[in-house]
Amino acid sequence: DAGITQSPRHKVTETGTPVTLRCHQTENHRYMYWYRQDPGHGLRLIHYSYGVKDTDKGEVSDGYSVSRSKTEDFLLTLESATSSQTSVYFCAISPAAEETQYFGPGTRLLVL
Amino acid sequence: KQEVTQIPAALSVPEGENLVLNCSFTDSAIYNLQWFRQDPGKGLTSLLLIQSSQREQTSGRLNASLDKSSGRSTLYIAASQPGDSATYLCAGRRQTGANNLFFGTGTRLTVIP
Repeated sequence: DAGITQSPRHKVTETGTPVTLRCHQTENHRYMYWYRQDPGHGLRLIHYSYGVKDTDKGEVSDGYSVSRSKTEDFLLTLESATSSQTSVYFCAISPAAEETQYFGPGTRLLVL
Repeated sequence: KQEVTQIPAALSVPEGENLVLNCSFTDSAIYNLQWFRQDPGKGLTSLLLIQSSQREQTSGRLNASLDKSSGRSTLYIAASQPGDSATYLCAGRRQTGANNLFFGTGTRLTVIP
């Protein structure tokens, strides 16, 4: 498996609270991604990064922000969590934009 | 946006059977297509990536084909085993760029011993 870890792996939080998810890689890949996976929707891209401090929005970016201060870490923040953000969140990495993406184990988030 | 569809949503087969999983996409101007495997509660594992210039890719008992003109890709699994039980997802990339990979909802495969 590619060296990708996500933390926490499970989290329960309340509506309106801030939440930060962390993705850490040891592969030195340039690109990092955050996806959410929901029944009936497949995986959808939230944000991605193409280098330190370089990020861009994906298909479902509203309500989320990201930061990448080091090559190995990509943080996803829900500024004020809502029940619609209950989902499984996956981090992925790739050496280049069009190459195979390698996925982390996922974070299961429940917003009550 | 590339719309990706996988039918059926679930499939059960007896061990040893050869099987085909289907993936359809709406835009024939596809750059590449990937097949992934996802085990329950786990992340995705990349199986095969087919570039638009290729017609198929093989890895062990797996063979993936790409037909741009019909907007279809198939994943062929030979001599299925219980360990093949998982959800298989395809993802199509319409063009270059990191934000252009679109996933299907997957086919959940169960191989019965």
